[in-house]
Amino acid sequence: EPEVTQTPSHQVTQMGQEVILRCVPISNHLYFYWYRQILGQKVEFLVSFYNNEISEKSEIFDDQFSVERPDGSNFTLKIRSTKLEDSAMYFCASNGGIGLHEQYFGPGTRLTVT
Amino acid sequence: ELKVEQNPLFLSMQEGKNYTIYCNYSTTSDRLYWYRQDPGKSLESLFVLLSNGAVKQEGRLMASLDTKARLSTLHITAAVHDLSATYFCAVANNAGNMLTFGGGTRLMVKP
Repeated sequence: EPEVTQTPSHQVTQMGQEVILRCVPISNHLYFYWYRQILGQKVEFLVSFYNNEISEKSEIFDDQFSVERPDGSNFTLKIRSTKLEDSAMYFCASNGGIGLHEQYFGPGTRLTVT
Repeated sequence: ELKVEQNPLFLSMQEGKNYTIYCNYSTTSDRLYWYRQDPGKSLESLFVLLSNGAVKQEGRLMASLDTKARLSTLHITAAVHDLSATYFCAVANNAGNMLTFGGGTRLMVKP
């Protein structure tokens, strides 16, 4: 069964460093998403991406964040200068398109900023 | 701004008992999702509810949606220990390109 994959599973970085989190969505999906979950808290939407552009973003997704689909398979989230409060689990999700509503989530990347 | 509230936040129950988790949301939407999350794991899709009056069942779990009341319920029948997890509801915005999650209900089923 196709699934969303994410790498790395755990990333430790120092405050102020740049990180790139990588996702491979399900191959025929058209819509891609990033969410985050601070430990013990609810899941928060960051950004959605369709047709090579951002279609929606939340207040959390400020200028420190960017997304890219550099090739036909990868979808990346970059944090330019990490802060302690960026420590969280980051989930990538994808879905198939109009009329196909279910979002499939990847296993997540745990980001720890020290 | 869409707000989604779940209750209870924590639920401890005995095996064999029934219970309902409630999900209220603040603005019009006709797409509601239920997810299960085990500790340290990702989100597993349980149900997608797409219209008023929608009811879906899988095993001991049944979900329903009342769009007029802006309320969804997740009913657990004859709980078993394997159902112990955190359950999240999530509501889509009108464009369908953003999910707003509730705070989650941590369910513990005691053997």
